[in-house]
Amino acid sequence: SQTIHQWPATLVQPVGSPLSLECTVEGTSNPNLYWYRQAAGRGLQLLFYSVGIGQISSEVPQNLSASRPQDRQFILSSKKLLLSDSGFYLCAWSWGRTYEQYFGPGTRLTVT
Amino acid sequence: GQQVMQIPQYQHVQEGEDFTTYCNSSTTLSNIQWYKQRPGGHPVFLIQLVKSGEVKKQKRLTFQFGEAKKNSSLHITATQTTDVGTYFCAGPMDRDDKIIFGKGTRLHILP
Repeated sequence: SQTIHQWPATLVQPVGSPLSLECTVEGTSNPNLYWYRQAAGRGLQLLFYSVGIGQISSEVPQNLSASRPQDRQFILSSKKLLLSDSGFYLCAWSWGRTYEQYFGPGTRLTVT
Repeated sequence: GQQVMQIPQYQHVQEGEDFTTYCNSSTTLSNIQWYKQRPGGHPVFLIQLVKSGEVKKQKRLTFQFGEAKKNSSLHITATQTTDVGTYFCAGPMDRDDKIIFGKGTRLHILP
């Protein structure tokens, strides 16, 4: 069966510090991978998605970036965090664009 | 651009009452998906509807896909405290490898 891991579960970082969040998927190959951000009590904002190694599509962020160094690994990064980067970061995978998505447990990021 | 809209944004119901959330797309969808997110948790896939007019049931949950494949609904019969959470609908965007999520309906159950 497929499993998706995210770490860390929670993170408190000062403004201006770097960020690296990792997501890995087990039990499937060549998945579509997604990074979402959810502000408290709000909907899901798609940040990045990837259909293959090294293929990243950016939806919104200015100071965030994503990389996919391996087939089942997706990394979200920032060189300098802003207060507005606080939120709940969710990684998800799917078999294809029309298929359902499976979410990881998420990382709660607080930028202070 | 392509949008998926959900109403209501919030709903408070007494335990035992029914609940319905509605999802409308600006364009025809190849499928509609529903997810549930418990407070403090992550979204969990519930179901996918593909056919025009399709109706699917999961215990007390009934999902419908409209004839024109532009709208959908989720109906919960006799709500329980375990139904608390936010329900999202989602549908694929044309051409891109991603789906669009509605903003969700947050359900509160009053004991």
